[in-house]
Amino acid sequence: KAGVTQTPRYLIKTRGQQVTLSCSPISGHRSVSWYQQTPGQGLQFLFEYFSETQRNKGNFPGRFSGRQFSNSRSEMNVSTLELGDSALYLCASSHLGTASTYEQYFGPGTRLTVT
Amino acid sequence: AQTVTQSQPEMSVQEAETVTLSCTYDTSENNYYLFWYKQPPSRQMILVIRQEAYKQQNATENRFSVNFQKAAKSFSLKISDSQLGDTAMYFCAFMKHVGNRDDKIIFGKGTRLHILP
Repeated sequence: KAGVTQTPRYLIKTRGQQVTLSCSPISGHRSVSWYQQTPGQGLQFLFEYFSETQRNKGNFPGRFSGRQFSNSRSEMNVSTLELGDSALYLCASSHLGTASTYEQYFGPGTRLTVT
Repeated sequence: AQTVTQSQPEMSVQEAETVTLSCTYDTSENNYYLFWYKQPPSRQMILVIRQEAYKQQNATENRFSVNFQKAAKSFSLKISDSQLGDTAMYFCAFMKHVGNRDDKIIFGKGTRLHILP
């Protein structure tokens, strides 16, 4: 099975712009979660989508949004970029099922730099 | 709210030694899951080991084992016979029992582990 893929891998944007990141989960996985990773804050949960519906949301401003398509692919959007949005954005997919199968598979991440 | 604390930002050990990474968490839940994830330099994060809170037996995966102390809310990771490939950032993570509305995973800030040749 192919792993979780994220595109693009690297991105440079300027303040005020918006950006869209894409994540393709492992085939058959219906849950996709997004995380922001920074040296200072570590890994912070952004949101999770399951069957095109947002199940959970972290404590991020409304500039951060996401969606999931019927094929489980997900996108996240950040509008009005700020310097502090520079981070590695990780996507993870999983089955939602029994505890023994619950595991998140991470993609390689998108490195976003805001200048 | 649940929190996960990793008190060791960075550690270094010699190859073949045993190393223990600390993790404590805070929760009022009785059923939950704990994880250790590994993020090698410039590589994808992978799950190292998982522990269900209702299981008293400590989980093991080859050279990786945990010391789960539920009453103390402690979940340390022991790496035996450490190898150069174990060099990575290690994240401890907590998740409420699957099926809860708010069952997102909460990560600690990580411990950067260096295995020295």
